[in-house]
Amino acid sequence: DTEVTQTPKHLVMGMTNKKSLKCEQHMGHRAMYWYKQKAKKPPELMFVYSYEKLSINESVPSRFSPECPNSSLLNLHLHALQPEDSALYLCASSQVRPGPNYGYTFGSGTRLTVV
Amino acid sequence: AQSVTQLGSHVSVSEGALVLLRCNYSSSVPPYLFWYVQYPNQGLQLLLKYTSAATLVKGINGFEAEFKKSETSFHLTKPSAHMSDAAEYFCAVSDTDKLVFGAGTILRVKS
Repeated sequence: DTEVTQTPKHLVMGMTNKKSLKCEQHMGHRAMYWYKQKAKKPPELMFVYSYEKLSINESVPSRFSPECPNSSLLNLHLHALQPEDSALYLCASSQVRPGPNYGYTFGSGTRLTVV
Repeated sequence: AQSVTQLGSHVSVSEGALVLLRCNYSSSVPPYLFWYVQYPNQGLQLLLKYTSAATLVKGINGFEAEFKKSETSFHLTKPSAHMSDAAEYFCAVSDTDKLVFGAGTILRVKS
């Protein structure tokens, strides 16, 4: 299995809702990432998990709450979002350290719209 | 911190013409470099990567890139453009424990 699977593919939520984005990989990668991508922009890093522990938080507002319940799963919990949070949310995974097959594999993303 | 710069936010070529997308990196150590393609409303697909093995890297869909340390470049090329190559292309560098992207280049292919 060489894929990263993200669900749902599309999500529309109100500003008072609570929702979660899910990401799953079975490549044995021990680093997982959340990126946010606005239209016409490159992906921007939000969070990094290494060995299921949060290693990087790029000053993301607390209305975004990541969780890594095990080495294959990564969640992003959303609460009280703003319309400007509407974006494509991408999950990725990789080996923790560079090696012969080093690389980052991305999911197809969740298109989030906040109304 | 490591970074990449993509020269040209938009590139337009005719079908069958050479594709050249430019990427320069800034790194104090041998970098790991990547090219990704993104089609509208989709995720990122890896085209190819440089991980300090061969300097000429061949990827999917006929793309290749050459790592040139003297020029700090990792330009992406394809000999003959197809209409299906129209997409946005991102150069990226692995910086310690995360991937950092360039601004992206939108490739337009004219028939």
